[in-house]
Amino acid sequence: GESVGLHLPTLSVQEGDNSIINCAYSNSASDYFIWYKQESGKGPQFIIDIRSNMDKRQGQRVTVLLNKTVKHLSLQIAATQPGDSAVYFCAENMGGYNKLIFGAGTRLAVHP
Amino acid sequence: KAGVTQTPRYLIKTRGQQVTLSCSPISGHRSVSWYQQTPGQGLQFLFEYFSETQRNKGNFPGRFSGRQFSNSRSEMNVSTLELGDSALYLCASSSRGAQNTEAFFGQGTRLTVV
Repeated sequence: GESVGLHLPTLSVQEGDNSIINCAYSNSASDYFIWYKQESGKGPQFIIDIRSNMDKRQGQRVTVLLNKTVKHLSLQIAATQPGDSAVYFCAENMGGYNKLIFGAGTRLAVHP
Repeated sequence: KAGVTQTPRYLIKTRGQQVTLSCSPISGHRSVSWYQQTPGQGLQFLFEYFSETQRNKGNFPGRFSGRQFSNSRSEMNVSTLELGDSALYLCASSSRGAQNTEAFFGQGTRLTVV
């Protein structure tokens, strides 16, 4: 069925290291992708997005890479901090208006 | 600027009852989407409204319905509640009606069906 999958359900990193969270999407027609961060008891928080006509986009400490050839998306977090501990979701818009298909999520645990 | 507001935050209902959840989007946002989040199924799209019209619907039974008012506020209703409807229901709003716009989420309504 329609789905966006993640390779790693849990990622543990040391504070200060860089983190990379990966995501495989299934629909080659998807044209818009978003990464969300969800902390316990809160709704998903927008981190960064990328359109299908781009292969890289940078924000503050975060970079999203899109490889349409292999249908792969990644989120890189530089100098990971304890406040980055959360569950991260990738989502794709499969051409419908504001209809996002979410991946299963990856839990990022940052250790001091 | 206030964010997306969902009410109530928590709700406990009995099987067979119905429930109505409310979502107030960010001021100026006209698109409202609803999602169900459960540990087993993750985040799943329910439906999306723009200018009081439902434009998209996910794969949920007809017991799940929604509507949007002229001020862009939205409600979703679940009738004949089942235990499996226990979930976090999230609402997201977007600024434009076009595709590929940022969706901002509220904190959700935690529904427990007993």
